[in-house]
Amino acid sequence: QITLKESGPTLVKPTQTLTLTCTFSGFSLSTSGVGVGWIRQPPGKALEWLALFYWDDEKLYSPSLKSRLTITKDTSKNQVVLTMTNMDPVDTATYYCAHRTSGSYSFAYWGQGTLVTVSS
Amino acid sequence: SYELTQPPSVSVSPGQTASITCSGDKLGDKYACWYQQKPGQSPVLVIYQDTKRPSGIPERFSGSNSGNTATLTISGTQAVDEADYYCQAWDSNNVVFGGGTKLTVL
Repeated sequence: QITLKESGPTLVKPTQTLTLTCTFSGFSLSTSGVGVGWIRQPPGKALEWLALFYWDDEKLYSPSLKSRLTITKDTSKNQVVLTMTNMDPVDTATYYCAHRTSGSYSFAYWGQGTLVTVSS
Repeated sequence: SYELTQPPSVSVSPGQTASITCSGDKLGDKYACWYQQKPGQSPVLVIYQDTKRPSGIPERFSGSNSGNTATLTISGTQAVDEADYYCQAWDSNNVVFGGGTKLTVL
């Protein structure tokens, strides 16, 4: 059974750096083709892809946010970590992590999401 | 940058067929997938690789993708299908989501 769960602060101040952790179980990030991605959704708005960490350590970033994002993994803890610098109120959103199944070009499993509010 | 365009809203009567489109340049050359999202819940994958249904997704959900348009079709739409639907594709190692379509079952 594949599960993912996001954790991190619920409130950050403008200009601060956000660090979110995705803790997963039921799969290995060492399995060929597997990836863990981050997607966000501002209140009442559409989904927006942020970053993806692949089994072979390849990292992909949204071109529009690349300069602010870093995605890493901790294999021993089954975690993928996303950091986003210089947070702004427009970054207020629910942040999801999701499992990319090998060869499917889609995210079959999602975490419950965590709402991050950016406010002073 | 690559864009996927969806109609903001679609309405359907119970028992009828709902079609939700997703348009993008040469989308038919890429794999499209679809997610269903109900209020306060995480997205659920309902169609992947254009036409495939994940385990547990009802047969009334089907997909197609050709030319510049991918289509999600829900046959015999039920009240429980009322939700937001998002298409998604890959373009040059970037994941792209459509703007979402609110399906209302009247």
